Amino acid sequence: DAGVTQSPTHLIKTRGQHVTLRCSPISGHKSVSWYQQVLGQGPQFIFQYYEKEERGRGNFPDRFSARQFPNYSSELNVNALLLGDSALYLCASSFSGGTREQYFGPGTRLTVT
Amino acid sequence: TQLLEQSPQFLSIQEGENLTVYCNSSSVFSSLQWYRQEPGEGPVLLVTVVTGGEVKKLKRLTFQFGDARKDSSLHITAAQPGDTGLYLCGCDRGSTLGRLYFGRGTQLTVWP
Repeated sequence: DAGVTQSPTHLIKTRGQHVTLRCSPISGHKSVSWYQQVLGQGPQFIFQYYEKEERGRGNFPDRFSARQFPNYSSELNVNALLLGDSALYLCASSFSGGTREQYFGPGTRLTVT
Repeated sequence: TQLLEQSPQFLSIQEGENLTVYCNSSSVFSSLQWYRQEPGEGPVLLVTVVTGGEVKKLKRLTFQFGDARKDSSLHITAAQPGDTGLYLCGCDRGSTLGRLYFGRGTQLTVWP
């Protein structure tokens, strides 16, 4: 079975631009969470979606938004990019809205110049 | 302040050596997870520990959850270059919101 997939793999953007990152969960998983991982740190929670509804939001500005589609795939959008948004963005899926075990995708490496 | 403190931050050893890394907190957890992350990849779940005092083994890796469920350790026996990676501990604080909290990780390098 395919694991969590994310696209694109790498992305370079300029300050002020907008970016959309995509995630497809493991088949049968209904929950998707997004994390930001900057160099030297562990992943930081951004959003969780379950059954197409936002179930949790981390301490990130309103420039960050997300949504989940009927097929449970998800998009993370970031507006007005800042240099500090450069990071590895990880998507994780789990079967339900519970948190005990999440399965991560390979991530999207975003570089803002 | 990090919810989970991991130590050491960096560890560089020779193949065949044993090592232990730690994950500590002042909070009590319903469960704790260990992940390994390789460069350019997402974290891969190794184990979930749930019961205080629990010990789980995964080949040469031994995971222990503290009796008070505030800390955990990962011991690797006879480390191999393939063990190289960032070892992260994570917890959910008992919530159901799909939110994991992670430590900063231990970067392990095993030299041939």
